[in-house]
Amino acid sequence: AQKITQTQPGMFVQEKEAVTLDCTYDTSDPSYGLFWYKQPSSGEMIFLIYQGSYDQQNATEGRYSLNFQKARKSANLVISASQLGDSAMYFCAMREENTGNQFYFGTGTSLTVIP
Amino acid sequence: NAGVTQTPKFRILKIGQSMTLQCTQDMNHNYMYWYRQDPGMGLKLIYYSVGAGITDKGEVPNGYNVSRSTTEDFPLRLELAAPSQTSVYFCASRVGYEQYFGPGTRLTVT
Repeated sequence: AQKITQTQPGMFVQEKEAVTLDCTYDTSDPSYGLFWYKQPSSGEMIFLIYQGSYDQQNATEGRYSLNFQKARKSANLVISASQLGDSAMYFCAMREENTGNQFYFGTGTSLTVIP
Repeated sequence: NAGVTQTPKFRILKIGQSMTLQCTQDMNHNYMYWYRQDPGMGLKLIYYSVGAGITDKGEVPNGYNVSRSTTEDFPLRLELAAPSQTSVYFCASRVGYEQYFGPGTRLTVT
């Protein structure tokens, strides 16, 4: 079974609008972390936001927020007030803390911001 | 701080050749990782290390070897390169929950 599933290969959003990128995960480890990374066309991996499995509040970092629904095993990324520079690939990832510290990545969502 | 550096940036190998991808970090992080990213896909973990002298396999270790003799360096060795190893390779180090990625090595095996 896939550990991380991203079902949206591509998304479009109008500049200044908000967009939600979906991510579901699968784990039986009670202690885990969820991450979102941005990969622009230049190729580098940029860390955006982190959510721990025991965190009560949804994580926020500037225009990024993580909609964490533990019972549904979902960790959607919300980008508010989209900018042209947000056009990139976005990857959801998970680390299981009690089973080897490995990271698992989804297949990514390509976001295009339209002027 | 240079962060995580990788060399080379690009490499073309012939089938059956061997090479070592270098990765160095200057942040004194214990955790280090090697990933590959195939076109249009996410990253898959090849090997990781929790400290000098300790390495372990990730999801896709076949065809690769690693060593970790110092905290700073975590080289990835490809023996008998195959076309299926054509990919972009990323090295990363971690402290706490945050991973710091290198710029990647684009490898083509023909």
